[in-house]
Amino acid sequence: QKEVEQNSGPLSVPEGAIASLNCTYSDRGSQSFFWYRQYSGKSPELIMFIYSNGDKEDGRFTAQLNKASQYVSLLIRDSQPSDSATYLCAVNQAGTALIFGKGTTLSVSS
Amino acid sequence: EADIYQTPRYLVIGTGKKITLECSQTMGHDKMYWYQQDPGMELHLIHYSYGVNSTEKGDLSSESTVSRIRTEHFPLTLESARPSHTSQYLCASSERGGVVEKLFFGSGTQLSVL
Repeated sequence: QKEVEQNSGPLSVPEGAIASLNCTYSDRGSQSFFWYRQYSGKSPELIMFIYSNGDKEDGRFTAQLNKASQYVSLLIRDSQPSDSATYLCAVNQAGTALIFGKGTTLSVSS
Repeated sequence: EADIYQTPRYLVIGTGKKITLECSQTMGHDKMYWYQQDPGMELHLIHYSYGVNSTEKGDLSSESTVSRIRTEHFPLTLESARPSHTSQYLCASSERGGVVEKLFFGSGTQLSVL
């Protein structure tokens, strides 16, 4: 059974702080890794993807991948109240459907 | 913004009714998916399609069926709805090929079976 594990949270950070969200996965054959953001009552939206070991930066977001440790993380710098949402980690192999974690709820207080 | 549409947005029906949840996309994507999501829980894949006349069951056992007669249309049908089917149903699509497969989601259908 392929699994994606996330701490459900809530993760609470003050405005302007760095939020760190973590995800581990069980399938060593996983090739692509995604972070989706889901606001309450809304559908998920893709914010980052990564497929090579190391860091990938996009604005305030940085995705980090360590395939040896089967670990992927998302850092949000200068967190804003509008970042408050559930963040879903998802993984797949080429040509297969995404497997999602349960998500981590982030709360950014002003 | 992704062009993938789901109707209805909300549906309340009685037990035993047959229902069809509609999903259409205008991006010409080959791959389409149905996920089920309960509050605070992960998305569970219930059906997927890699193209016209291709349908497969996902990991979650479901009494629903799907069809893919046209590339843009991927409806989900429940022959006899039960209260256990109460959930949010999310349709998604993605382009074929490549290592990175980006899913685009519709707005979802919130189904309540009384």
